[in-house]
Amino acid sequence: DAGVIQSPRHEVTEMGQEVTLRCKPISGHDYLFWYRQTMMRGLELLIYFNNNVPIDDSGMPEDRFSAKMPNASFSTLKIQPSEPRDSAVYFCASSLWGANYGYTFGSGTRLTVV
Amino acid sequence: SQQGEEDPQALSIQEGENATMNCSYKTSINNLQWYRQNSGRGLVHLILIRSNEREKHSGRLRVTLDTSKKSSSLLITASRAADTASYFCATAPSYGNNRLAFGKGNQVVVIP
Repeated sequence: DAGVIQSPRHEVTEMGQEVTLRCKPISGHDYLFWYRQTMMRGLELLIYFNNNVPIDDSGMPEDRFSAKMPNASFSTLKIQPSEPRDSAVYFCASSLWGANYGYTFGSGTRLTVV
Repeated sequence: SQQGEEDPQALSIQEGENATMNCSYKTSINNLQWYRQNSGRGLVHLILIRSNEREKHSGRLRVTLDTSKKSSSLLITASRAADTASYFCATAPSYGNNRLAFGKGNQVVVIP
């Protein structure tokens, strides 16, 4: 198994532009999580899905952020419009049965908004 | 809050020494997990200990759990330079949402 695959690995964009981050979870995993990590705020949960359905999006900073999971093998996190304070590393993770087993994290997308 | 809090926040040791980190949490848990994050990489799951377990081993890792004190410790024996990383504890709630609550992480530097 190739693990959780995220793309792109790095993204540099100008303020105001739309950014789309992509994630392919491990086949068979029924939970998918999106996290954001910064030095100041640490690791923050943005949203998570169970069987492709969003369960808790209370961590999404504001309406500029949206996430979808159209099928079990693909999820996107979109920021529109992007702002410099969105600069962070965004991680996707998947798991089988949620918190009952370990999460598998992707390598992350380092987003820089200038 | 279920969020784990690691202690100490930063640790610097010589290669070959043991490294011990602690994690405290506030509410009832189903299990507690430890993760490692190397610089610039994603978190990697190390070990999971369930609430009815007191100790668990995996290679050079030893985890203990004391549910009465709501605390856990991670011991890395005979540390190597490759163990340099941030270590996170994460708790799974006994009830409610089925997701982990991560601590802020503990930076460990192993000096060759």
